[in-house]
Amino acid sequence: GQNIDQPTEMTATEGAIVQINCTYQTSGFNGLFWYQQHAGEAPTFLSYNVLDGLEEKGRFSSFLSRSKGYSYLLLKELQMKDSASYLCAPWDTGFQKLVFGTGTRLLVSP
Amino acid sequence: DSGVTQTPKHLITATGQRVTLRCSPRSGDLSVYWYQQSLDQGLQFLIQYYNGEERAKGNILERFSAQQFPDLHSELNLSSLELGDSALYFCASSLGLAGGLMAGELFFGEGSRLTVL
Repeated sequence: GQNIDQPTEMTATEGAIVQINCTYQTSGFNGLFWYQQHAGEAPTFLSYNVLDGLEEKGRFSSFLSRSKGYSYLLLKELQMKDSASYLCAPWDTGFQKLVFGTGTRLLVSP
Repeated sequence: DSGVTQTPKHLITATGQRVTLRCSPRSGDLSVYWYQQSLDQGLQFLIQYYNGEERAKGNILERFSAQQFPDLHSELNLSSLELGDSALYFCASSLGLAGGLMAGELFFGEGSRLTVL
């Protein structure tokens, strides 16, 4: 079956670092994606991990541990514009599609 | 600009009515997905097409139907509308099918906001 677990909401301060965790269970696995979605807007692709380890992309990094079914998204030097929902989405090979979690709403305050 | 075009952007209609939402995928993408997102809810997968064929179905109601045409654009038909159908409907496209970056990097349209009164 499919099960994706991530915190519902997080708050952080401008300039700080925040880590959004995600645990998942899928029928099969072929990559873990993170998407960002601002309120009322379309999701946009942030990162992709298929092997264990850390992928860094500017202020954003994503980590994957396949054996633990665990990923996190790390956001550094937070800016107000980072206030958004962050969606963890593993590719489930059993269903041959991306499975989206309900997302973590991040609020960045001054 | 994701390259995915959805029309209409906004739609207000009454209960019992029928609407059609249209999506043109990004040039070259063969896979089209439809998602429903109600207020403050997650993305609910409805249906996927690949090169004209239905590939996967999610929790799509029987009142809803979709198709992908030979030119790869897709339409989502919603009929006998109910108040609870009010939501943002997203179309997304990707290049591949079998996982990996080509399949999982989805390009979303701006969505069609449906309000049922």
